[in-house]
Amino acid sequence: QKEVEQDPGPLSVPEGAIVSLNCTYSNSAFQYFMWYRQYSRKGPELLMYTYSSGNKEDGRFTAQVDKSSKYISLFIRDSQPSDSATYLCAMRRGGGADGLTFGKGTHLIIQP
Amino acid sequence: NAGVTQTPKFQVLKTGQSMTLQCAQDMNHNSMYWYRQDPGMGLRLIYYSASEGTTDKGEVPNGYNVSRLNKREFSLRLESAAPSQTSVYFCASSEARQGFQPQHFGDGTRLSIL
Repeated sequence: QKEVEQDPGPLSVPEGAIVSLNCTYSNSAFQYFMWYRQYSRKGPELLMYTYSSGNKEDGRFTAQVDKSSKYISLFIRDSQPSDSATYLCAMRRGGGADGLTFGKGTHLIIQP
Repeated sequence: NAGVTQTPKFQVLKTGQSMTLQCAQDMNHNSMYWYRQDPGMGLRLIYYSASEGTTDKGEVPNGYNVSRLNKREFSLRLESAAPSQTSVYFCASSEARQGFQPQHFGDGTRLSIL
């Protein structure tokens, strides 16, 4: 079993819909949880991060972490065609210089 | 405002050839990383350098070597390229303080090995 599982999609939704993206993980030592967005032929860019359990909101984006279930989510409200991209969840055990453990990424398509 | 710069952007090699991928960051970050991204596999850590003068293996280090040339530059070398090393390679950098420090990524090097 991979440490981080993420459905690769593609996930196709109409413009304006609420999008839900999810990851599950197996390593209970993970403390930092991130969502990256990656456009075609570009590097990942950080969207949001959360430390431990809880919710975090930034504009149209909400990140949720449930450590008891080892489950994280990213919600996108009022989705736009410009949100079409691959969304990668990533996790890390501690602070300092640790590398990230990524999910496979979900390819999201917002239909105009 | 360059951030993380990777060169070259594209490269085609023959099996057995050697090559060095270059990465430079202008954010004065202490830590630097090399990842590879393959279809259906996500990004996987190859090597990282917590600070100038140190390097450590990640999840998939076999077949690669790295050099932290100075604080700005971190190179990845393939000594004898194999078709299994066909991938997109990303370099990243971050601060190395405690707590959350985001990793900033370059736009990748697309490497094909025939």
